[in-house]
Amino acid sequence: TQLLEQSPQFLSIQEGENLTVYCNSSSVFSSLQWYRQEPGEGPVLLVTVVTGGEVKKLKRLTFQFGDARKDSSLHITAAQPGDTGLYLCAGGDFRAGNNRKLIWGLGTSLAVNP
Amino acid sequence: DARVTQTPRHKVTEMGQEVTMRCQPILGHNTVFWYRQTMMQGLELLAYFRNRAPLDDSGMPKDRFSAEMPDATLATLKIQPSEPRDSAVYFCASGYGKNTEAFFGQGTRLTVV
Repeated sequence: TQLLEQSPQFLSIQEGENLTVYCNSSSVFSSLQWYRQEPGEGPVLLVTVVTGGEVKKLKRLTFQFGDARKDSSLHITAAQPGDTGLYLCAGGDFRAGNNRKLIWGLGTSLAVNP
Repeated sequence: DARVTQTPRHKVTEMGQEVTMRCQPILGHNTVFWYRQTMMQGLELLAYFRNRAPLDDSGMPKDRFSAEMPDATLATLKIQPSEPRDSAVYFCASGYGKNTEAFFGQGTRLTVV
């Protein structure tokens, strides 16, 4: 069974601080996605990484896919209250024929205090 | 602004009652997912469809849950009879082609008392 473990589970920081959250697995994924979910809303896709070692930047957010495609990290620089939310990672394994199911982590709940 | 639309947003029902949740995927998307989210289990995939055909519903309790796509603009998830343990937020998401990026609706918060 493929599993994605996210850490930390909860994180509370002050505005302006930097942070990194992690998404780890013992399985290899063809791609990995990061989503942010705000209270009362559905998850919203932030980025998809597909190549081992790939780094993508989205303003103050930096996403990295591990060389072995088993893990990923999300780094936020100078966090702002608007970054508050649940950050979810989801891995795709397309080796099993037509399987398009994503494997989801439980998320990191981030609170950025003004 | 294309988005996935789910109705109702909130539903409170008594145990044993039938519950129907509806989803309108983004126009042009050919893949529809139904997820359930709880604090303990996170997001669980219940079923997904491509081109209206069910591809995988292994995550769905077959005895009480059913999912259908009567047409390309409507997906439904039914629970009959509902039980308190079904209380959760149910999300519909849609996507297209081989890309599994999912665009989520706002969810239906179901409470079964």
